[in-house]
Amino acid sequence: GAVVSQHPSRVICKSGTSVKIECRSLDFQATTMFWYRQFPKQSLMLMATSNEGSKATYEQGVEKDKFLINHASLTLSTLTVTSAHPEDSSFYICSASQSQGATDTQYFGPGTRLTVL
Amino acid sequence: AQKVTQAQTEISVVEKEDVTLDCVYETRDTTYYLFWYKQPPSGELVFLIRRNSFDEQNEISGRYSWNFQKSTSSFNFTITASQVVDSAVYFCALGTYNTDKLIFGTGTRLQVFP
Repeated sequence: GAVVSQHPSRVICKSGTSVKIECRSLDFQATTMFWYRQFPKQSLMLMATSNEGSKATYEQGVEKDKFLINHASLTLSTLTVTSAHPEDSSFYICSASQSQGATDTQYFGPGTRLTVL
Repeated sequence: AQKVTQAQTEISVVEKEDVTLDCVYETRDTTYYLFWYKQPPSGELVFLIRRNSFDEQNEISGRYSWNFQKSTSSFNFTITASQVVDSAVYFCALGTYNTDKLIFGTGTRLQVFP
């Protein structure tokens, strides 16, 4: 149980294009989904937290107009990187939790490696 | 302030050796949760354990064991008889009711050589 999928696993795009990443909880309802970014050999950096049906909460320094997050249902959240640039190249990971806050277990997706040319 | 410190950046061992990964945390909250995750080269974070602050019993799961010491604010993770498949980055994390996000340590990269 507690499986989270993420699609696509890898994407290469040209600078200026938009990329959408999907995160799905396959066998449980995710009240909260989290989006992280990870640079090589570094820890996870939280970008935003989204609760189903409400606007996402972005961490300081994360541009909400550039990283659009939608949590339309209890099993799906999407991250859209708009007008991507080479500096947006990174490993993006989502996680899902059955409750709000940071005390419940977060189950992670397999990640999406984004390369912007 | 909430903080998690994993002082060991990289550890290398030979197969069948035991290895302990250290995790020290800081929080003023009396109720909190500690987590360990494994991130193999594929990239996906695999959940290993969740422990609440009121449960100080050590836990064993197969070759994995965890030692929670509130007196030293540590939650160390030991792998017994390590195997090559244990090679990964291991993250310790802290969650409390006063924050809405997990606080991750910087991770420890474990390499197990045959």
